[in-house]
Amino acid sequence: ETGVTQSPTHLIKTRGQQVTLRCSSQSGHNTVSWYQQALGQGPQFIFQYYREEENGRGNFPPRFSGLQFPNYSSELNVNALELDDSALYLCASSSRTSANTGELFFGEGSRLTVL
Amino acid sequence: RKEVEQDPGPFNVPEGATVAFNCTYSNSASQSFFWYRQDCRKEPKLLMSVYSSGNEDGRFTAQLNRASQYISLLIRDSKLSDSATYLCVASYSSASKIIFGSGTRLSIRP
Repeated sequence: ETGVTQSPTHLIKTRGQQVTLRCSSQSGHNTVSWYQQALGQGPQFIFQYYREEENGRGNFPPRFSGLQFPNYSSELNVNALELDDSALYLCASSSRTSANTGELFFGEGSRLTVL
Repeated sequence: RKEVEQDPGPFNVPEGATVAFNCTYSNSASQSFFWYRQDCRKEPKLLMSVYSSGNEDGRFTAQLNRASQYISLLIRDSKLSDSATYLCVASYSSASKIIFGSGTRLSIRP
């Protein structure tokens, strides 16, 4: 077990709705990255948070937003859901040291279905 | 063009075979490279880092060619438990951006 927990594990939404996904990072880790993984694809980088500030962003529209809290847990918010947002959303925590060695510790993901 | 490209496979090889995966990256600013493994319906986990000098971890050998922007993973004496998707990863911007390829599926048959 990585010590990274995500909630909810599964959820179903309809187009146009909003969703919030949550992640608790591993103890001692101050960096959280979010990824979207569509079926049969690799994880796509959404953004990273370090000490409560966004510290890098992939090619996702502004309706994907996030937060990191003082305890380093994080939220991913997606507004105006589209069918293509259906995917597994992975949260990965790291320290600066582990990130530099490439080791991200992933949670088991939140599987979102948009109908 | 994707920043990290891999042959999606699937590779279906017999137990004991040697199999090699290749990966190319487009951003020459990429600084560090890794291979991750992802089992079906599980989260990705770090398999090994990739160094220019090449590095080995048991049956696994990784190689990086910066001039050609090419990364490889070799698995010798493959086991049934090696069946998984192998993800090629590049990072840059002081590790604030870690980019995954689409993955190569490997299936080892008895």
